[in-house]
Amino acid sequence: KNQVEQSPQSLIILEGKNCTLQCNYTVSPFSNLRWYKQDTGRGPVSLTIMTFSENTKSNGRYTATLDADTKQSSLHITASQLSDSASYICVVSHRLYNNNDMRFGAGTRLTVKP
Amino acid sequence: NAGVTQTPKFQVLKTGQSMTLQCAQDMNHEYMSWYRQDPGMGLRLIHYSVGAGITDQGEVPNGYNVSRSTTEDFPLRLLSAAPSQTSVYFCASSYSIGDDGYGYTFGSGTRLTVV
Repeated sequence: KNQVEQSPQSLIILEGKNCTLQCNYTVSPFSNLRWYKQDTGRGPVSLTIMTFSENTKSNGRYTATLDADTKQSSLHITASQLSDSASYICVVSHRLYNNNDMRFGAGTRLTVKP
Repeated sequence: NAGVTQTPKFQVLKTGQSMTLQCAQDMNHEYMSWYRQDPGMGLRLIHYSVGAGITDQGEVPNGYNVSRSTTEDFPLRLLSAAPSQTSVYFCASSYSIGDDGYGYTFGSGTRLTVV
């Protein structure tokens, strides 16, 4: 069973609308959580990284929240743009700053329509 | 500044054939890694290297070999391709195994189909 579950699998929204993507994890012990954006045909690009002591982190129109008690994270996208169409991947690590130790979710495929 | 370059972008192999996926980075990164990405699954680590001459296995190493003769290059070899190796392969690099995350750079991927 995947230790990182993302929902929904896919989402379609209209340009200008907001949306929230969910990530639940069972990775334990937990040290940090990352959100990546992956455009079609490209590699993932880091959006935010939060350690276990952080509750929220923003990167422009992207805001990630973390509840380490309930093992949940969300990525909120504000005023969506066509360029936000991509897969968004949640990644959870056991150990702080160890690139071998990442557990990747399967991603949420977001489509923004005009 | 090219970042992480993967070649080829697409490849079709017959079962039993061998091939090498190339990965090169020009950022003087010590840490390099290979992942595979399959539909409905997260990326899974195949092999990694913490520096020239040092490699180790990740989560799904069977059927793949790697070597790291230079800091810049980290090729992934399939010795006898199988249909189960049909996937998209990503190479990634960072200054060290313990970077802060923002410096972890992925290539654009190689889509491999084994028939």
